[in-house]
Amino acid sequence: NAGVMQNPRHLVRRRGQEARLRCSPMKGHSHVYWYRQLPEEGLKFMVYLQKENIIDESGMPKERFSAEFPKEGPSILRIQQVVRGDSAAYFCASSPRVEANTEAFFGQGTRLTVV
Amino acid sequence: GESVGLHLPTLSVQEGDNSIINCAYSNSASDYFIWYKQESGKGPQFIIDIRSNMDKRQGQRVTVLLNKTVKHLSLQIAATQPGDSAVYFCAESKGSNYQLIWGAGTKLIIKP
Repeated sequence: NAGVMQNPRHLVRRRGQEARLRCSPMKGHSHVYWYRQLPEEGLKFMVYLQKENIIDESGMPKERFSAEFPKEGPSILRIQQVVRGDSAAYFCASSPRVEANTEAFFGQGTRLTVV
Repeated sequence: GESVGLHLPTLSVQEGDNSIINCAYSNSASDYFIWYKQESGKGPQFIIDIRSNMDKRQGQRVTVLLNKTVKHLSLQIAATQPGDSAVYFCAESKGSNYQLIWGAGTKLIIKP
């Protein structure tokens, strides 16, 4: 079991470009969560998805940000027209069911730098 | 508003000693708390959790204490080892276990 895989590990984008972050959950996990972490801060919840469904996106900005978890393939967090303030580490976690923090595993994150 | 904070941003401990990392929370309605460990360049790793109907929970070399009266949470690590070097986060939630409110973290440094 390869664990939660995120790619790329590092992503540099110019202001105005699009960033696509990918997260492949652990085998057997159908719940995916995305978080954002600013330097020296804790994680902030963004969105919770199950296969083909967005369950809770209350932590995700209404504009420029979107997330999906298609039937096949990884979950994608998409940031359009990136700005410097989007620079952060983005982590995803997966679990076999909701409310299973003891069985939720995090990926190593994607560090987005907007220049 | 809701907030989770830590008293010390950095904690230096001699190898072999016990470590105590503290956390204060302000939302008395929070009913679930988790400690995470984050090593440099890695994602957070679950350590231990505790629900508000408990005041103490033990794991392997770790103990979490919850004092609801003063809204205080602590993580005790016994016989600290070099591999314990990391940033430790406490997180709280009310109801939802994934919408956690994370504190800013305490960096634990192990002195040889």
